[in-house]
This record gives sequence, C-alpha cells and structure tokens, in this order.
Amino acid sequence: SAVISQKPSRDICQRGTSLTIQCQVDSQVTMMFWYRQQPGQSLTLIATANQGSEATYESGFVIDKFPISRPNLTFSTLTVSNMSPEDSSIYLCSVESGFPSGNTIYFGEGSWLTVV
Amino acid sequence: AQTVTQSQPEMSVQEAETVTLSCTYDTSESDYYLFWYKQPPSRQMILVIRQEAYKQQNATENRFSVNFQKAAKSFSLKISDSQLGDAAMYFCAYRSADAGGTSYGKLTFGQGTILTVHP
Repeated sequence: SAVISQKPSRDICQRGTSLTIQCQVDSQVTMMFWYRQQPGQSLTLIATANQGSEATYESGFVIDKFPISRPNLTFSTLTVSNMSPEDSSIYLCSVESGFPSGNTIYFGEGSWLTVV
Repeated sequence: AQTVTQSQPEMSVQEAETVTLSCTYDTSESDYYLFWYKQPPSRQMILVIRQEAYKQQNATENRFSVNFQKAAKSFSLKISDSQLGDAAMYFCAYRSADAGGTSYGKLTFGQGTILTVHP
C-alpha cells in the first residue's frame, strides 16, 4: 500500500485566512483525491487531482475556494481559502494504489482544521 | 449516481464476540469495488477489506469477512472475536470500475456505523 503523509495534521485558523494542506506519497500515483469530513459526518469528495491537468471539482466545491495543485506524481496541495467556521473539518488526501491490491484507495492521516 | 446506506448508526459487541455491520448500495453498474474502512479516534481512514463485484467469493482478512450479495446489493462486514481495538467508526464505500466513466476512482461513502466494544 502507498504511504501518504499530510501536513499539517492539525491547525487552528483565524476566520478569513487561507491554509494550504500538503500531501506527499511515497510512490508515483496517477489519481489523487481530496475529501472533506465535517464534524460527525461522512466523507465527501472535494476534487480529483491528476498530474498534468486541472483538478476536477465535485458539485458544491469551486476552485476559488479550494484551489488544488498537482505538480508531480507524488505531491499535491489543497488550499482552503477565506476560511469561515463552516470550513472546520478534517481534510483527507487519498490515492489509488495498484500494488498489491489494484484499484484500492488509501488515505493520509488527515488534516484537522478548526476555524475560529 | 450511486448511493451507499448504512442503516445502523451505532452497534455494540462484547469482547471476543461476533458482530455484523450492514451496508446496502444502489448502482446500475455491473462492475465495481466495495470497501470497508475503519476510522478510529485518530481519524485516520484504515482499509479493512475490499471486494470486487465480479468475484463471487466473499473476501476475508483474518477476523474480518464480508457477506457480499450482489443481486440484493448488500455488503455486510462480520467481525469475529472482537477486540477492544476494533472500536471505531466503520464506513462502507463504493467505487466504480468503469475507467471511462466520470465516477471512476471516486469513493461514495455510507453514513458510518459507530462500533463500541465492551470488555
């Protein structure tokens, strides 16, 4: 399975500021995904980030609010812009790993953001 | 669009006993993957078990096994010999296998089931 590292693991942010979350994978992967988990809720996909192309956003998520970069096959960032308390969530990076179990999605440790 | 339903918000089990978590899903696709993930208080999502829809044989991973009923669109997780470390939120998830489709790679999650293990 892929080893995925996320930074920061936890942060307290001021309203109106922006924060960038980094996701580093120990192997090259084609597909990377960013999910949000609001308190007490399930996971919701924000966007799919493939190297060499613009991120594809799900309904309800826009690039101005959640800009994503994917400069290479092992790294991606998600920025949460102009934060409000409603953005307090866990943000998770995930990747598809083809080895040893193909087509399986693995997750990073998550970044727990609290907006005050 | 696919949907995943976990009808048990909470379940509890005695240590060393067996518990089954339920999951149903709705899809028009014939080929897909199903997963169970565990989320302990650390919030990390840990893969528990994986099932390919084209395989009739139920997946097993040590104390964890599934009952996959494709026609009924049911995918339950059985935990045998429950341990205190099994206490967590469990999520059932669906993934399309259609590489040409817009949903490829994306996971659709159920609402989750909180499992409590009593000593």
